[in-house]
Amino acid sequence: EAQVTQNPRYLITVTGKKLTVTCSQNMNHEYMSWYRQDPGLGLRQIYYSMNVEVTDKGDVPEGYKVSRKEKRNFPLILESPSPNQTSLYFCASSLSKGTGQGYNEQFFGPGTRLTVL
Amino acid sequence: EDKVVQSPLSLVVHEGDTVTLNCSYEVTNFRSLLWYKQEKKAPTFLFMLTSSGIEKKSGRLSSILDKKELFSILNITATQTGDSAIYLCAVDPNRPNAGNMLTFGGGTRLMVKP
Repeated sequence: EAQVTQNPRYLITVTGKKLTVTCSQNMNHEYMSWYRQDPGLGLRQIYYSMNVEVTDKGDVPEGYKVSRKEKRNFPLILESPSPNQTSLYFCASSLSKGTGQGYNEQFFGPGTRLTVL
Repeated sequence: EDKVVQSPLSLVVHEGDTVTLNCSYEVTNFRSLLWYKQEKKAPTFLFMLTSSGIEKKSGRLSSILDKKELFSILNITATQTGDSAIYLCAVDPNRPNAGNMLTFGGGTRLMVKP
């Protein structure tokens, strides 16, 4: 089954304790992104990756890191989490650029609800 | 700065009603507008619109784009309780070397009562 998976799905942690949220897709997609979703603010992009070893900042990158060593995986790293990073996080992937209906349809993972105390 | 604004923020209707959700945008280099439905989990894709005036339809849902006035609407006819969700509008601002970045609106929360 084509899907995007994230782990963990729920996480409660304390300020300053490094954590990683994993994301994996099995669709051979080139593009992967991380979003955070907060009430009233919709989804805001944190980082994205156009291909292996190619990453760039989105709209709200502060306090986050990513890596793309393999095409299927795109982990999100919080080196020193703070309470303002309490949010719902989504990983997404999509096909490479092209024509037609699905060229930039983003497939979302199930979400990771993070609470930083 | 690219911006996507959705209205209303929330909406409560009864089954059978018709609803219209609005999405307006400001982007420097528009490529496409997408609608997503988000229930309890991840957003799921509904429509992608690239051309003005061409209605996309899927069952009771339809959507249309106006590139001159910079907005889109999502219509749901004969609503059902299963339509209750957050509806997200997103725009592909076609930033150079930015891949498939999307800018999302804040969403419209729709609740359909029996």
